[in-house]
Amino acid sequence: KAGVTQTPRYLIKTRGQQVTLSCSPISGHRSVSWYQQTPGQGLQFLFEYFSETQRNKGNFPGRFSGRQFSNSRSEMNVSTLELGDSALYLCASSWAGGGQETQYFGPGTRLLVL
Amino acid sequence: KQEVTQIPAALSVPEGENLVLNCSFTDSAIYNLQWFRQDPGKGLTSLLLIQSSQREQTSGRLNASLDKSSGRSTLYIAASQPGDSATYLCAALGDSNYQLIWGAGTKLIIKP
Repeated sequence: KAGVTQTPRYLIKTRGQQVTLSCSPISGHRSVSWYQQTPGQGLQFLFEYFSETQRNKGNFPGRFSGRQFSNSRSEMNVSTLELGDSALYLCASSWAGGGQETQYFGPGTRLLVL
Repeated sequence: KQEVTQIPAALSVPEGENLVLNCSFTDSAIYNLQWFRQDPGKGLTSLLLIQSSQREQTSGRLNASLDKSSGRSTLYIAASQPGDSATYLCAALGDSNYQLIWGAGTKLIIKP
């Protein structure tokens, strides 16, 4: 069974631009969660989608948004990029989500904002 | 507000030793406590998940314990191997907001 895939793996953007990251969960998983990892703040929860609905949201500004499609694939979008958005963005999938069961992580997308 | 702390930040031990990684959390109102490993350039791998009602979980050479009353969890690695070298992270799931709060991790190096 294929694991969680994320595209692109690396991305360089400039301040003010926007970016879209993609995550394809393990087949059959309906929950996709997104996390941001930085050296200063560590890992932080962004949001979780389940059956095309945002079910939970972390403490991030509205510039961070996401969506989930009917095939459970998910995208996250960051608008008006800031230098501080440089980070590794990880997505994780699971059957029912809510953090109550094992999550399977993708390799991440490393975003550099110049 | 939940805070998760992992001490030490880094640990280097010779191959074959048994070792313990520590994780502490400030709010005992957790749904579960999870341990992950992260290898350079890769995502996270779930190691063990302990429900709040459980005291420990075991998988192979790994054993994780949970003491909610003291706000502590430990990850015990038996007979360490160079392949165990990685960063180990713990995360606590709040039982009301269902959001994982992460520790900063312990970078473990096993010397051959």
